[in-house]
This record gives sequence, structure tokens and C-alpha cells, in this order.
Amino acid sequence: AQKVTQAQTEISVVEKEDVTLDCVYETRDTTYYLFWYKQPPSGELVFLIRRNSFDEQNEISGRYSWNFQKSTSSFNFTITASQVVDSAVYFCALSEAGGNTGKLIFGQGTTLQVKP
Amino acid sequence: DADVTQTPRNRITKTGKRIMLECSQTKGHDRMYWYRQDPGLGLRLIYYSFDVKDINKGEISDGYSVSRQAQAKFSLSLESAIPNQTALYFCATSDLEVAGVLDTDTQYFGPGTRLTVL
Repeated sequence: AQKVTQAQTEISVVEKEDVTLDCVYETRDTTYYLFWYKQPPSGELVFLIRRNSFDEQNEISGRYSWNFQKSTSSFNFTITASQVVDSAVYFCALSEAGGNTGKLIFGQGTTLQVKP
Repeated sequence: DADVTQTPRNRITKTGKRIMLECSQTKGHDRMYWYRQDPGLGLRLIYYSFDVKDINKGEISDGYSVSRQAQAKFSLSLESAIPNQTALYFCATSDLEVAGVLDTDTQYFGPGTRLTVL
């Protein structure tokens, strides 16, 4: 069965600190996708990134970076120099690729609070 | 205008009442989904539809039904609401991106409907 675990329920940092949100996944599939979504206090879910299981290159987008390691089944998300606007709930999610794609399995979410 | 809209945004109802949540999208996507979010549980899939004539149960479909009225519209109904259906409900849409074994889609979410059942 597929499963996504975000062990950190809540994280609190002070502005400008770096913070890493952990995501560990379980799947028997060899082809799959991993996602991160952000849910700010306003409530909507915002898509951040998608990676496939064959692409283990780290991704950097501004202050955001993602570290995908198949050996440890992890897809961690780092925010560098955090800002108050980064305060949100962050979800990691997993989806099969190929014929069974379309169903996202979400982790429990990590609430990040960035204090000024 | 938002690409995915949900109505109502907030609803308070009583146990036993029938309620419908509606989702509309202008993204032209074929696939639509309904999820519910509960604190500490993340989002769980209720129903999904890959085209107008296709309806599939998700992880937690009991107590819910759906209707895909058109490509752009997907409604979720609670036939007889109960308090443990109090949650935040999200609609999402996507389109299949064909890439052989790496076929995938990316889901885009509506703003959510906060439902309270008293």
C-alpha cells in the first residue's frame, strides 16, 4: 500500500532561519510522482513541485529546494532564509505513474510557523 | 477569476439534512476530484471522475455521492449529514499528461468549502 509520512506535526522558527520539512513515502511501484503543496492561512492549496521517480536531481526554486533520495524514500523540502509569509501547512503527496495515475496520497501535513 | 471555484465557501447545517457542494472549473480539465481535510489526517479522496461518464469511489466514499453534470462541473452530496462529516472539502482538477510509463497529472485545487454539521 502507498503511504506518505510527515513526522513533523508543527515547526516553529524565527525569520531568516533555514528549515527543512521531512517527507517519507512507501510504495511498491517503480514509477511514481511526488508532490509538495502549500496551504497558507487563507486555506487554499497551492501546488509547489512535482518530481518523478527517475529524477533524483535536487531542485531549487528561489528560497525553496527539494532533496529527493530514493535510497531512503524521502523527498524533503527546505526553505532557506524563511519569511513570515512562509507560514503555512505543507503537504507532501504521492501518486502512481502510468495507468493508475490520478489518485494522490497525502501526508498528514506539517504546520510551519515563522515568527518575526 | 479563479480557475476552480467551489460553492458555498462556508456552510452550517444540521444532522440529517441533505447538502450539496458544487465545483466548477474553467481549466478545461477532464479529471475532477473531491477530497476532505481533517486536522492531523491530511486530505483524503472521496470520489473522482476521469471524464463525464466516469465516476469512481475513493478512500472514504461512504455517506457521500457525486454527480458529474458536465466536463466543468462536479458536485458532492451528503444525503443525510452527520457531525463527523464536519470538515474542509476540496475540489481539484487535472489533465492527464501522456508520457508513457511516466503518464501523470498535477491536481489544482479550489479554495475549499468549510462544512459544519451540528
